[in-house]
Parts: sequence; C-alpha cells; structure tokens
Amino acid sequence: AQKVTQAQTEISVVEKEDVTLDCVYETRDTTYYLFWYKQPPSGELVFLIRRNSFDEQNEISGRYSWNFQKSTSSFNFTITASQVVDSAVYFCALSAYIVGTGNQFYFGTGTSLTVIP
Amino acid sequence: KAGVTQTPRYLIKTRGQQVTLSCSPISGHRSVSWYQQTPGQGLQFLFEYFSETQRNKGNFPGRFSGRQFSNSRSEMNVSTLELGDSALYLCASSLDSPGASEAFFGQGTRLTVV
Repeated sequence: AQKVTQAQTEISVVEKEDVTLDCVYETRDTTYYLFWYKQPPSGELVFLIRRNSFDEQNEISGRYSWNFQKSTSSFNFTITASQVVDSAVYFCALSAYIVGTGNQFYFGTGTSLTVIP
Repeated sequence: KAGVTQTPRYLIKTRGQQVTLSCSPISGHRSVSWYQQTPGQGLQFLFEYFSETQRNKGNFPGRFSGRQFSNSRSEMNVSTLELGDSALYLCASSLDSPGASEAFFGQGTRLTVV
C-alpha cells in the first residue's frame, strides 16, 4: 500500500526565515515518483518538483530545495528566506506504477505554511 | 501554452440533482485524472482516463462516473448528489501516467450541494 505522511499540519514563520516541510512516504514498489505541489487560496495545485525513485540527488531551484533520502523514506522541502508569497498549503505526493492500470497520486494531508511579514 | 482548464469554477446544486464537470487538458496530454478534495478526507483519487479509456478508478460509489473524448477533454458526472459531495474537484493533465510524467492541475470546480 502507498501512503504519504505530512506530520506538520500548520507552520508559521517570520519572513526571511528558512522553513522545512517534512514528507515521509511508504511504498513497496521499487519504481515510484515523488512530487511536491503548492496550493494557494485560488485552489489550483501548482507543480513544484517531481523525482523518481532512482534519483536521490538533492535539487535546488532558487529559494527552494529538496532532500530525498530513500534510507529514511523522506522527501523534505526547504524554503530559504521565506516570503509572504510562499504562504500556501503544500502537498507531498507519491505515484507508483501499477501494471495494467497506470499511476495515481497518493497525497499527504498537506502542510499549511503562513509567512508573517 | 494554455494550462488545464476546468469549468465551471463554482457550482451550487440541490441534493438529488446531478452535475457534470469539465476538464480540458494541456494540448498533447492524453491522460486526465480527477481528484476530490474535502477538509475531512483530503485529496482522493476518483479516476484516470487515457485515450478515451478509464484506466484506473478510486474507491468511490457508482454515482461518480466520467468519460474522455477523442480530443482528450474529460467530463465527470455525479448523480443523485449528496451533501457530502460538496468539495473541490480537481483534474490533472499529463502526457502519460501521472507520475511517469509531470502532472499539471487545473484550478478546480468548487461544488456546493445544499
């Protein structure tokens, strides 16, 4: 069975602080994909990153960075020097391929981030 | 290029009625998936369509159905609406399986059942 746990329900930080959003996943599949999405109040899920299970390289994109560790089944997301525009709900998701039926996303419950000016 | 378009954005229906939601994927994308988002249950998978065929289905009652047209546009239908169907319905568009390729979501349709 596939499962994603985001233990942090809500986080508040002061602008310019760094913040890390935790994501722990469970899967028995050897091939899977991990995602992070941002959901602003408008409702749309904005794609941030996709990683496959064979690529454990950390990634940095501007103020965003991701740390993927298979040994701990974690895919954590760090925002450096947070800004008010980063305020949103962030979802971690897992997708694994099922022969004959394809993939579906398994989402965590989301972490609501508030950046205080 | 244009993103994923969902219509309508907002909908208010009465219990017992039926509703049809539409999703136009990104041009060239053949996979469309639907998700229901509620405060209590979070984001839950409804179904996925690929080249007009339902390829995967979540654990929802038969009142929830969908289809995909030859131009990859997809519709989902909910019959005999219940109060608990009030939710944000999101569709995702991807080239192939969501996961195997990047998936992009629309802004959703917010359905309120009264």
